[in-house]
Amino acid sequence: EVQLVESGGGLVQPGGSLRLSCAASGFSFSNYAMSWVRQAPGKGLEWVSTISSSGAGIYYADSVKGRFTISRDNSKNTLYVQMNSLRAEDTALYYCAKGDKSPRQLPDYWGQGTLVTVSS
Amino acid sequence: QSALTQPASVSGSPGQSITISCTGTSSDVGSYDLVSWYQQHPGKAPKLMIYEVSQRPSGVSNRFSGSKSANTASLTISGLQAEDEADYYCCSYAGSSTFWVFGGGTKLTVL
Repeated sequence: EVQLVESGGGLVQPGGSLRLSCAASGFSFSNYAMSWVRQAPGKGLEWVSTISSSGAGIYYADSVKGRFTISRDNSKNTLYVQMNSLRAEDTALYYCAKGDKSPRQLPDYWGQGTLVTVSS
Repeated sequence: QSALTQPASVSGSPGQSITISCTGTSSDVGSYDLVSWYQQHPGKAPKLMIYEVSQRPSGVSNRFSGSKSANTASLTISGLQAEDEADYYCCSYAGSSTFWVFGGGTKLTVL
């Protein structure tokens, strides 16, 4: 059974930093692209970033480009996102999502999310 | 404003069929057969219902079907059941620059 467990969320001041993690199990992690998708309170889904299975291909939404860095450790079956220069509009539930062999393929499994609140 | 346009709400009675549209452009929905639909119940994670326009994952009821015409994708739910009441989101691949775009979501109410 595919399991994705996010952690690392919390309350952070504007301009601050946070690193989210996603522990994956139940599938061959190193063979699949992975992504972060967020959902602001009461709002819709917004794609944040995707990383290829090897980590060689990385893609960001314009709204986070230059501030967020996605990475993965295939030896630990873990996905990360380092979030810097956080803004109030980054407040959201951040989901980790499993993709397919190709990064273009849309996600099939999602974690339960970790909440990030940016506020002073 | 979301990149893909969905109706904010739809409703139907048990047993009826409903269709949710997802309108994009020739740069996303119209160019790729990489459209997925997700169901999200309140407080829960999204669940994949349809992928690659019309493919149904294992375990998803055959009451759910997807299609696409030009720049518009559609999700049809037949034989509506109370448990189908949820938010539904479409998503499309949109090329190497924009990558993925989501619709704003549609709230389905089963009357």
